Amino acid sequence: DQQVKQNSPSLSVQEGRISILNCDYTNSMFDYFLWYKKYPAEGPTFLISISSIKDKNEDGRFTVFLNKSAKHLSLHIVPSQPGDSAVYFCAAHREGTYKYIFGTGTRLKVLA
Amino acid sequence: DGGITQSPKYLFRKEGQNVTLSCEQNLNHDAMYWYRQDPGQGLRLIYYSQIVNDFQKGDIAEGYSVSREKKESFPLTVTSAQKNPTAFYLCASSWRGGAETQYFGPGTRLLVL
Repeated sequence: DQQVKQNSPSLSVQEGRISILNCDYTNSMFDYFLWYKKYPAEGPTFLISISSIKDKNEDGRFTVFLNKSAKHLSLHIVPSQPGDSAVYFCAAHREGTYKYIFGTGTRLKVLA
Repeated sequence: DGGITQSPKYLFRKEGQNVTLSCEQNLNHDAMYWYRQDPGQGLRLIYYSQIVNDFQKGDIAEGYSVSREKKESFPLTVTSAQKNPTAFYLCASSWRGGAETQYFGPGTRLLVL
């Protein structure tokens, strides 16, 4: 049972435009969410987080939106740059545990 | 310069052999984790440790073992009981564990000869 889903395996965006990566979850006990960027054969790099008590968090070009009623979060990257080309993972923390559940990732390709 | 180091970058295992993957952190984090990544899949938790001399099984602990004798170190042993060990292994750490950011090392790719 995949509790955290990234339904788009890949996404292509033109340089300078907005990239929107989506993540859906099923468990209402998730209370904290993380987004990571990962290059091949490297460890994930933390990008941005959001607590379930918020609906938006912003850090430079990266903004994460959380819609609790829809159990949906999204990562916006504006403007997109070729260096943003990577696989992006969302991860959800289950309240009262030490566990994060990771999505399967979305491969973003930013075209120059 | 704080961070998490993993060694080796590549590791080859022969049939029936146990191999140990190293993970060291100098971030003064209490909690450490081991994940496994397979192609096209998300990260799956193997083991985690919230404090020295204590660790808990994650979702896919069978065929793996860990130790936490020092705060800085959390080695993972892939035993011969793990029948499909080929994967990318990632170590992570966080301050206390729970709803906080986890920081990852560069990973170790394990291949079976």
